[in-house]
Amino acid sequence: DTAVSQTPKYLVTQMGNDKSIKCEQNLGHDTMYWYKQDSKKFLKIMFSYNNKELIINETVPNRFSPKSPDKAHLNLHINSLELGDSAVYFCASSQAYWGGTEAFFGQGTRLTVV
Amino acid sequence: DAKTTQPNSMESNEEEPVHLPCNHSTISGTDYIHWYRQLPSQGPEYVIHGLTSNVNNRMASLAIAEDRKSSTLILHRATLRDAAVYYCILRDANSGGSNYKLTFGKGTLLTVNP
Repeated sequence: DTAVSQTPKYLVTQMGNDKSIKCEQNLGHDTMYWYKQDSKKFLKIMFSYNNKELIINETVPNRFSPKSPDKAHLNLHINSLELGDSAVYFCASSQAYWGGTEAFFGQGTRLTVV
Repeated sequence: DAKTTQPNSMESNEEEPVHLPCNHSTISGTDYIHWYRQLPSQGPEYVIHGLTSNVNNRMASLAIAEDRKSSTLILHRATLRDAAVYYCILRDANSGGSNYKLTFGKGTLLTVNP
């Protein structure tokens, strides 16, 4: 069983479209995250959720809207896609948010906006 | 966030030990030292973490300097599968919104030669 799974793995879409990426974790974790890895390979936090509540929104454009229907899911919806949104998006989860716990990452969703 | 400094790249030969250094001179007393790695085309993967004492697990060992201003990730016998970017990250043990994330730097690209 995959601990943190994301769908789809690849997503190619046109500018201006709206798309969603789904994430599910079966680890029973309380905290979930979205990270973005750009073409230069920098990994940046976008959002953190704890028990379905938004904790961190790291200056992400409001075209990006995370939604956590329950603790096991954190989906990412993106409106009006732009070329600069092309990147790999990683979902992750951890038992808690504090320093002594490890995070588990999904395999990523490669988004290409054309 | 407390910062870490790692070499951009390192090379090793297969089946030899690898010592990956990390400097964190501004570490606070409550910061855990985490190591993650990212294999090509995969999500980041937890390797090991520690606070003050050296740690061992099935993947690696973590040696922490007595003053905690530096640490070393040790891969005892490198394999081709260990070729990846290795990230050294500090994470505070205390609660607080800023802790709801892992802050990734550039990491060290490890090349393993057959």
